[in-house]
Amino acid sequence: TAGITQAPTSQILAAGRSMTLRCTQDMRHNAMYWYRQDLGLGLRLIHYSNTAGTTGKGEVPDGYSVSRANTDDFPLTLASAVPSQTSVYFCASKGQGAGTGELFFGEGSRLTVL
Amino acid sequence: AQKITQTQPGMFVQEKEAVTLDCTYDTSDQSYGLFWYKQPSSGEMIFLIYQGSYDEQNATEGRYSLNFQKARKSANLVISASQLGDSAMYFCAMREGLSNSGYSTLTFGKGTMLLVSP
Repeated sequence: TAGITQAPTSQILAAGRSMTLRCTQDMRHNAMYWYRQDLGLGLRLIHYSNTAGTTGKGEVPDGYSVSRANTDDFPLTLASAVPSQTSVYFCASKGQGAGTGELFFGEGSRLTVL
Repeated sequence: AQKITQTQPGMFVQEKEAVTLDCTYDTSDQSYGLFWYKQPSSGEMIFLIYQGSYDEQNATEGRYSLNFQKARKSANLVISASQLGDSAMYFCAMREGLSNSGYSTLTFGKGTMLLVSP
């Protein structure tokens, strides 16, 4: 079972360039999330989507945009990358209905902006 | 105020000993959930254990248990009989609202790095 697939695994990007991090899930989860992980700061929510066609801002949304055209895909776009966006990015999803509400994570995308 | 506080940046424990990783939380919701995730050096996020705010008993999953003290707003992770493979970063997280709410997100703490020595 693939679960959540993120691409690319890692990327070096020149400042000012645009970049889209891809995230695909095969669990038919309604909710999807993008977090960034930085040393000493833990994971911080960038954007989320509760269902296809809707998105919302998290704690650190500036400089990022997302779209949710369908249930499976939730790409994260950096329109004009800056060095402070150097981070590890995690995509996650959550199933609907009863349960713990745990998040299922992809393996992360390491982005370096120079 | 931070919603999730992990006050221990790093912890050391010897193999086979028990260790407690601290987590305190802040919420005004009556319904919430608390989670612990493990992140080994390979980077993936592994779900360990969950405690719901209405659960009367502390959650347990194998060698992991969650010491839930609701009045003190703490949700410490206890790892019994530590193993070398337990060396990892551990994150505490909280969901506010019901688990089946489409609008709930997880807020994470800053993490605790656990090193288990032989």
